Amino acid sequence: NAGVTQTPKFRILKIGQSMTLQCTQDMNHNYMYWYRQDPGMGLKLIYYSVGAGITDKGEVPNGYNVSRSTTEDFPLRLELAAPSQTSVYFCASSYYSGGGTSTDTQYFGPGTRLTVL
Amino acid sequence: GEDVEQSLFLSVREGDSSVINCTYTDSSSTYLYWYKQEPGAGLQLLTYIFSNMDMKQDQRLTVLLNKKDKHLSLRIADTQTGDSAIYFCAEFNAGNNRKLIWGLGTSLAVNP
Repeated sequence: NAGVTQTPKFRILKIGQSMTLQCTQDMNHNYMYWYRQDPGMGLKLIYYSVGAGITDKGEVPNGYNVSRSTTEDFPLRLELAAPSQTSVYFCASSYYSGGGTSTDTQYFGPGTRLTVL
Repeated sequence: GEDVEQSLFLSVREGDSSVINCTYTDSSSTYLYWYKQEPGAGLQLLTYIFSNMDMKQDQRLTVLLNKKDKHLSLRIADTQTGDSAIYFCAEFNAGNNRKLIWGLGTSLAVNP
């Protein structure tokens, strides 16, 4: 299994440009997440999905959009890039079995480093 | 609201034990996690502990949980230079939309 893969690894955008960060997992996980990590800071949840067709906002959703048309893919869209969106973006996935002891351990991709100039 | 706190930095000598501490506020947390992030890399799960356990040992790693004080610690025995990384504590509450609450991370520096 490749686990969680993200593309691209690096990207530089100009203010106002748009882009999509790709995330794919091959573990048949039902939950997927997008986080951003600013220098010296922890993780902030942007959006998450509990299954195909279902998404919800996290702590910092403004300026981003997501979709989940398949179990495997969870792309993150930036419509009008701003310097405040310069960050490292991590995608993660987990499996919730529905049982009370499900650990929901999250598995992370390697990240996308985005700079907006 | 929920909060997870960690000290930001820890420096140890190679071969010594490292102890990274974490406090959390949600007494109904189900699981508590430790993740490791090496420079320029993603987060890697190190270990987790279920809230009804006091201790969990996994090779050089020992996790201690004090539910009364809401305190979690990660002990790394015989710390090596390869252990230099940022260590994140996270709590999981099944009732909180199944989301993790993350600490800011502790940067561990291992000196030869």
